[in-house]
Amino acid sequence: TQLLEQSPQFLSIQEGENLTVYCNSSSVFSSLQWYRQEPGEGPVLLVTVVTGGEVKKLKRLTFQFGDARKDSSLHITAAQPGDTGLYLCAGAPTGNQFYFGTGTSLTVIP
Amino acid sequence: KAGVTQTPRYLIKTRGQQVTLSCSPISGHRSVSWYQQTPGQGLQFLFEYFSETQRNKGNFPGRFSGRQFSNSRSEMNVSTLELGDSALYLCASSLAAGSNQPQHFGDGTRLSIL
Repeated sequence: TQLLEQSPQFLSIQEGENLTVYCNSSSVFSSLQWYRQEPGEGPVLLVTVVTGGEVKKLKRLTFQFGDARKDSSLHITAAQPGDTGLYLCAGAPTGNQFYFGTGTSLTVIP
Repeated sequence: KAGVTQTPRYLIKTRGQQVTLSCSPISGHRSVSWYQQTPGQGLQFLFEYFSETQRNKGNFPGRFSGRQFSNSRSEMNVSTLELGDSALYLCASSLAAGSNQPQHFGDGTRLSIL
């Protein structure tokens, strides 16, 4: 059992569609981070959410941290082929060891 | 500003050998973490170093070890390699230790065990 479960695991959508990726845990996190990883590269940090209930927007990407700080979501509006990649949530529940989510592989078809 | 540099990018070894991977963090970053990424297990934390001291260690056998030098560069070593050690090994650096610190990743070392 993974500490951070992401859903869906795979997502294939047409350009212009909207999508939401979920990151869930039974543990409380002081903060959660979202990363995107493209083939052959390391993950790149997109955002860090710190406060329960917080919503952060990054152009077409909207990130939300759950009120109880156990879950987070990433919503992409009008997806583009450049959004294709592996999306990972990550956090450290006890402030020590860092855990990554199971990952969501997104493919946006032109 | 140069990013995190990992060398080598690709490595092929046979079972029983040992390997050393290198990571040069972003200038000024003092924390370095190592991760193993496989299709089945995803990204798993190996260990974190800060100011030459190991702060945290993941759930990996003692064959996996690391160290950090005074210039913050880090190495990880895997001894007695097994087929299951085939993976992408990623290094990440951050300014300081702590879960709120943004991590900057290198592009990894792809290790294949024959």
